[in-house]
Amino acid sequence: EVQLVESGGGLVKPGGSLRLSCAGSEFPFSSYGMNWVRQAPGKGLEWVASITGGSSFIDYADSVKGRFTISRDNGKNSLYLQMNSLRAEDTAVYYCARMGQSSGYYFDHWGQGTLVTVSS
Amino acid sequence: QSVLTQPPSVSGAPGQRVTISCTGSSSNIGAGYDVFWYQQLPGTAPKLLIYGNTNRPSGVPDRFSGSKSGTSASLAITGLQAEDEADYYCQSYDRSLSYVFGTGTKVTVL
Repeated sequence: EVQLVESGGGLVKPGGSLRLSCAGSEFPFSSYGMNWVRQAPGKGLEWVASITGGSSFIDYADSVKGRFTISRDNGKNSLYLQMNSLRAEDTAVYYCARMGQSSGYYFDHWGQGTLVTVSS
Repeated sequence: QSVLTQPPSVSGAPGQRVTISCTGSSSNIGAGYDVFWYQQLPGTAPKLLIYGNTNRPSGVPDRFSGSKSGTSASLAITGLQAEDEADYYCQSYDRSLSYVFGTGTKVTVL
């Protein structure tokens, strides 16, 4: 069974930095695009960033462009999100999600999420 | 902010049929991009419910069905059960915004 396990969340002050990790297992990690999707408390889902299997294509939501960096290490089956210049509005549960491989752009498996709280 | 619009809530008695609409535009659903649906049970991560507009992943009951027409899509739940009480989100791709989600719909089983 596909497993995605996020870590690295916590409390950080505005303007601070945090690095999230996602460990994938039970599937050929390097063959799949990966994403970060977030959900603010009591709110809906918001796509954050996407990276292809070989890291050749990376994309960001406008709300995080220039502040967040997505990366991956296929040798370690791991996905990362470096978050800088954090703002209160970045407070959310951050999910790691695997890109589906059928027709279309979607997320077929999700991790359990890690909570990031930006507050002074 | 979400670019796909869903009703905030729908409700129905056990056994009834409910539908959730997802309205987009010519830059996403209307541009031909597929629609996907996710179920989020309270306190858990989202789970893929429908892919490619109408297809169910293995393990998803056939009570759930999806459709798409023009700039909109719909999710139908027939034979509503207590365990279906959850938040439901549609998702597509947008020419300018990449991945976009719906505003979300809370389904309540009366």
